[in-house]
Amino acid sequence: QVQLQESGPGLVKPSGTLSLTCAVSDGSISSDYWWSWVRQAPGKGLEWIGEISHSGTTKNIPSLKSRVTMSLDKSKNQFSLKLDSVTAADTAVYFCARGSHFRWHNWGQGALVTVSS
Amino acid sequence: QSALTQPASVSGSPGQSVTISCTGTSSDIGSYNYVCWYQHHPGKAPKLMIYEVSNRPSGVPDRFSGSKSGNTASLIISGLQAEDEADYYCSSYTSSDIYVFGTGTKVTVL
Repeated sequence: QVQLQESGPGLVKPSGTLSLTCAVSDGSISSDYWWSWVRQAPGKGLEWIGEISHSGTTKNIPSLKSRVTMSLDKSKNQFSLKLDSVTAADTAVYFCARGSHFRWHNWGQGALVTVSS
Repeated sequence: QSALTQPASVSGSPGQSVTISCTGTSSDIGSYNYVCWYQHHPGKAPKLMIYEVSNRPSGVPDRFSGSKSGNTASLIISGLQAEDEADYYCSSYTSSDIYVFGTGTKVTVL
């Protein structure tokens, strides 16, 4: 069973860049899946951020499009999310997930990122 | 793309049935059968409960079922059990080639 684990700084300053990595074990990110990011702000629901395919094609929500960068690191079997120019509104638990056929079977436990000075 | 609309909360006694609705538009639920339901216990990873409107992944109890009519999808939990108490989210693929989640529903077992 594939395992996903998010990691990255838990505290980011306003206007800075949020950087998270999702390490994948017992599965290869070169497999035919989409590798996704979902977040949940405090007291709010889930919000799909975007995803990257095994070949590097990306999709993301229009509201974050100009600030989001997603990438793959096949040598480390992990994928990453960068979110620029963060504000307090970007404070959330960030989940990574593996998807195929329009659904996500496997999820990480989530990583809390707080935007604060 | 606006979030799909779900009731904030539903509740039921053990053994009862509850239904959670998920209302979208003709650009998402109304056009595609790519509706999923996820169970989320706070602090844990979300779990896929239903995919493609009404299909259950292996290991999900058959107490969980899904359906769709027009722009609205529904999750039915029959024979409610204490461990079903959690947050539930619907999701749908959209005509913009992106995904949208529902607002989330807290299920309480009385």
